[in-house]
Amino acid sequence: DAGVTQSPTHLIKTRGQQVTLRCSPKSGHDTVSWYQQALGQGPQFIFQYYEEEERQRGNFPDRFSGHQFPNYSSELNVNALLLGDSALYLCASSWARQGREKLFFGSGTQLSVL
Amino acid sequence: DQQVKQNSPSLSVQEGRISILNCDYTNSMFDYFLWYKKYPAEGPTFLISISSIKDKNEDGRFTVFLNKSAKHLSLHIVPSQPGDSAVYFCAARDITSGTYKYIFGTGTRLKVLA
Repeated sequence: DAGVTQSPTHLIKTRGQQVTLRCSPKSGHDTVSWYQQALGQGPQFIFQYYEEEERQRGNFPDRFSGHQFPNYSSELNVNALLLGDSALYLCASSWARQGREKLFFGSGTQLSVL
Repeated sequence: DQQVKQNSPSLSVQEGRISILNCDYTNSMFDYFLWYKKYPAEGPTFLISISSIKDKNEDGRFTVFLNKSAKHLSLHIVPSQPGDSAVYFCAARDITSGTYKYIFGTGTRLKVLA
């Protein structure tokens, strides 16, 4: 049973570029959440997708967008990259119907913006 | 505005002794709390959780205590082992908007000394 998988593991971009990160949820999970973890900080909630729609969003600008596909996998897109976007991006999946669901995290994508 | 706070960035404990990690929160609408452990280059892994209707939950060496009136929870690890050395994150589920999102603290780095 594969857990949450993310790709790529590392990425280097320059300011102003655009980036797409990918996530496949744990088998049986239908909800995907994205988090940004800056150095020395805890994961910050970006948004959550369920049934291919953005269900909840944190305090992130519109440069951050996402998508969920019919197979529940998800993408995070960041446009017009800033130096401050350098962080570890974590994808977490869960099963909406459980009620007391816990998040299962992938290993993350380390994004460096130069 | 940090709604979930872990005021101790680091903690060192001798092997075999008790480790106590603390977490404070500000929002009385949080209904579910979790602890995650994170090793370098890995995503956070679920450790233990507690519902807001309980004041204690135990799983092997790990016990979480919740004091709702003080908006405080703690994680006890007894006995501590060198393999427990990691960063520990406290997370709270926010249901105020009708759907949920998890808010994380900034983490406490635990070092268990052999």
